[in-house]
Amino acid sequence: KAGVTQTPRYLIKTRGQQVTLSCSPISGHRSVSWYQQTPGQGLQFLFEYFSETQRNKGNFPGRFSGRQFSNSRSEMNVSTLELGDSALYLCASSPDRGWNGYTFGSGTRLTVV
Amino acid sequence: DAKTTQPPSMDCAEGRAANLPCNHSTISGNEYVYWYRQIHSQGPQYIIHGLKNNETNEMASLIITEDRKSSTLILPHATLRDTAVYYCIVRVSHAGNMLTFGGGTRLMVKP
Repeated sequence: KAGVTQTPRYLIKTRGQQVTLSCSPISGHRSVSWYQQTPGQGLQFLFEYFSETQRNKGNFPGRFSGRQFSNSRSEMNVSTLELGDSALYLCASSPDRGWNGYTFGSGTRLTVV
Repeated sequence: DAKTTQPPSMDCAEGRAANLPCNHSTISGNEYVYWYRQIHSQGPQYIIHGLKNNETNEMASLIITEDRKSSTLILPHATLRDTAVYYCIVRVSHAGNMLTFGGGTRLMVKP
């Protein structure tokens, strides 16, 4: 079956712009979470959505937001981009919130210039 | 979630067993040990998890000490494709879809 699909794969944006990243989970998976990976901070949890509701949120400013649609697809948005937002953004899905094996996508590499 | 300590890097010869240690001395009774790995430029991949018994699957074996304060991930016959960063994570299983990643161990498998 298809894995977790993230689009686009690469993105270059200018400081001050906003960006929307997309994640399509594995069919049947209802939980989607997002992570940011940078060389300095490593992998950090952004937020989790389950059945269209945000369940958990990491320690990120309000410029980072997300949503989940009824088909479980999720988007995350970053407004007023800063140079420090350059990172690999990863999405992970699981069948439900208690599932132990999460499947990650290949990520979207965002570069802010 | 309990904190974990892993060596920053390790080398292993191709075909040999790779033994990756993880210390989690503050682990609680209801916390599981999870292992993920991340191959360069890809998303992390789930490997295995366990509570207190040793576990084995097609990818690896997980050995947890009796006091649960440390564990070892074993890749029985390492290949070049096993070169990756390996993360040991300790968490409660029903804590939602949130994983706290540390620095991990960068395993280099050499021919």
